[in-house]
Amino acid sequence: ETGVTQSPTHLIKTRGQQVTLRCSSQSGHNTVSWYQQALGQGPQFIFQYYREEENGRGNFPPRFSGLQFPNYSSELNVNALELDDSALYLCASSFRGAYEQYFGPGTRLTVT
Amino acid sequence: RKEVEQDPGPFNVPEGATVAFNCTYSNSASQSFFWYRQDCRKEPKLLMSVYSSGNEDGRFTAQLNRASQYISLLIRDSKLSDSATYLCVVNTLLYSGGGADGLTFGKGTHLIIQP
Repeated sequence: ETGVTQSPTHLIKTRGQQVTLRCSSQSGHNTVSWYQQALGQGPQFIFQYYREEENGRGNFPPRFSGLQFPNYSSELNVNALELDDSALYLCASSFRGAYEQYFGPGTRLTVT
Repeated sequence: RKEVEQDPGPFNVPEGATVAFNCTYSNSASQSFFWYRQDCRKEPKLLMSVYSSGNEDGRFTAQLNRASQYISLLIRDSKLSDSATYLCVVNTLLYSGGGADGLTFGKGTHLIIQP
């Protein structure tokens, strides 16, 4: 196992609501990246956090936001949920400068 | 053109056979390359990094051709447990000077090993 944990495992929300997903990175890792994986697709990069700041973002709107805490854990927040936000949300931890990223088990979000 | 392209399959292969997957990537500035394995409804797991010199890990061999922007994975003596989706992954620095490095994934190639 990678040592990356995520919570909750599953979540059901209604369109328009807000959601917060959580991730604890692997021991020794200081960088957290978030990905969205829709059914039948590869994961899509949302953003990356290092030193408690967002330092890179993929093609996602501002209603996707995040935080990183001093212990390197992270949150992903999504506001004004849309039906298309239904997906598996994955966080990956890594050490700055090392290219390999290790994924947590994901949170499966369903928006109805 | 998609950034990382793979044949989605499925590849139906008898146990013990050799199977090869390929993928192409579009960004010539890409820094590093990987194969991840993903089982149904699970997270992607790093299978191996891919180097220009080629690298081998047991039954798995990966090759990178930077000139053609092409990555391959070869699985020898396939096992039932190799059945999974194999994701071709490229890591590209988003900004120069040590900025974020987001992974770009292909859609994956679905492999089914048949007894």
